[in-house]
Amino acid sequence: QVQLQESGPGLVKPSETLSLTCTVSGYSISSDCYWGWIRQPPGKGLEWIGSIYHIGNTYYNPSLRSRVTISVDTSRNQFSLNLRSVTAADTAVYYCGRRPTRSSSWIWGQGTMVTVSS
Amino acid sequence: QSALTQPRSVSGSPGQSVTISCTGTSSDVGGYNYVSWYQLHPGKAPKLMIYDVIKRPSGVPDRFSGSKSGNTASLTISGLQADDEADYYCYSYAGSFWVFGGGTKLTVL
Repeated sequence: QVQLQESGPGLVKPSETLSLTCTVSGYSISSDCYWGWIRQPPGKGLEWIGSIYHIGNTYYNPSLRSRVTISVDTSRNQFSLNLRSVTAADTAVYYCGRRPTRSSSWIWGQGTMVTVSS
Repeated sequence: QSALTQPRSVSGSPGQSVTISCTGTSSDVGGYNYVSWYQLHPGKAPKLMIYDVIKRPSGVPDRFSGSKSGNTASLTISGLQADDEADYYCYSYAGSFWVFGGGTKLTVL
């Protein structure tokens, strides 16, 4: 059974880059599926950030596209999120997830809280 | 890319049924059979309750069911139990993108 674990700094300074990694266990990241990120700011709803197909095609939320990069590291069975030029509005719990092709059955990790503050 | 429309809150007594709606457009909910529903408890991972509009993952009670008509998807919870009290979000494919509903707080009276 696939397990997903987010990791990264819990505190990022404004204007810097937020970098998170999702470690995948129990499943090959090279398998035919999609990997993605969502987030939930405190007291607000869920927001889709973006996703990557196992062969590298990326899809981003238009509102974040200019600042987001999602990539896969097959050697470490991980994928990552980079969000540039962060502000306090990027403070949120970030979740990584996976879904099979031809399905909407996204499964998400436990999440990691990231605070943007000086 | 606008959020899907959900009621802010719904409520019901134990044993009753409630339905949460999720309204989008022909570009998302109405255009694909890729709608899923998540249950959120504070501090926990979003739990998949329904996917592909009507399918239920193993381990999810059959009290939870999904449906869709036109641009509106619905989650019905029958035989309400106290631990069903949570936030529920719909999530739809929108052609290379995904979009969430605004979330609905379910209160079990």
